[in-house]
Amino acid sequence: EAGVTQFPSHSVIEKGQTVTLRCDPISGHDNLYWYRRVMGKEIKFLLHFVKESKQDESGMPNNRFLAERTGGTYSTLKVQPAELEDSGVYFCASSRLLAGAMYNEQFFGPGTRLTVL
Amino acid sequence: AQSVAQPEDQVNVAEGNPLTVKCTYSVSGNPYLFWYVQYPNRGLQFLLKYITGDNLVKGSYGFEAEFNKSQTSFHLKKPSALVSDSAWYFCAVSYSSGNTPLVFGKGTRLSVIA
Repeated sequence: EAGVTQFPSHSVIEKGQTVTLRCDPISGHDNLYWYRRVMGKEIKFLLHFVKESKQDESGMPNNRFLAERTGGTYSTLKVQPAELEDSGVYFCASSRLLAGAMYNEQFFGPGTRLTVL
Repeated sequence: AQSVAQPEDQVNVAEGNPLTVKCTYSVSGNPYLFWYVQYPNRGLQFLLKYITGDNLVKGSYGFEAEFNKSQTSFHLKKPSALVSDSAWYFCAVSYSSGNTPLVFGKGTRLSVIA
């Protein structure tokens, strides 16, 4: 099966501009997660969708970040306006939605490297 | 709150030697522990996990990890390193087995020298 894909792979923008990142999860995966890694620091959780609903957005840094998952398929993460500290690698992950004690492995995409100048 | 510490930013090891990448964690309740690897220009790839059962967990590419509850550690090991093992390694923890986000450490860069 196809893996998680992310677009673009790299984006270089100027401070104040808008950027939209896209994630296509594995088909049939209802869980979709966004994470971010800022240079030299840990990978941090941003938010979690279950189908089209936001299950947990506690990791979103501020209201300049807007995530959507219309129709419960692909997701977009928009940063508007971008600031210097938004630079980093944005990862998307997806997993099946299974109840009970089974672990639902998260499959990660290759990431989008965002550079804000 | 959950947290993961990877105390080494970089680990260097000669090819053929054993390698260890360290990880300690803090979580209330039973931990679910994971190791991921990121090769250059690739996404995070799952290596192995500890959910319950045997403390020694075997994973992909000959890697294994030992869960030590008393030391709250989950160190990644491999008996004989390969140059192709050079990558970033991330330890992660979750407080639940399903449908919850992962908490990652900051990663350790492994360099295997021929």
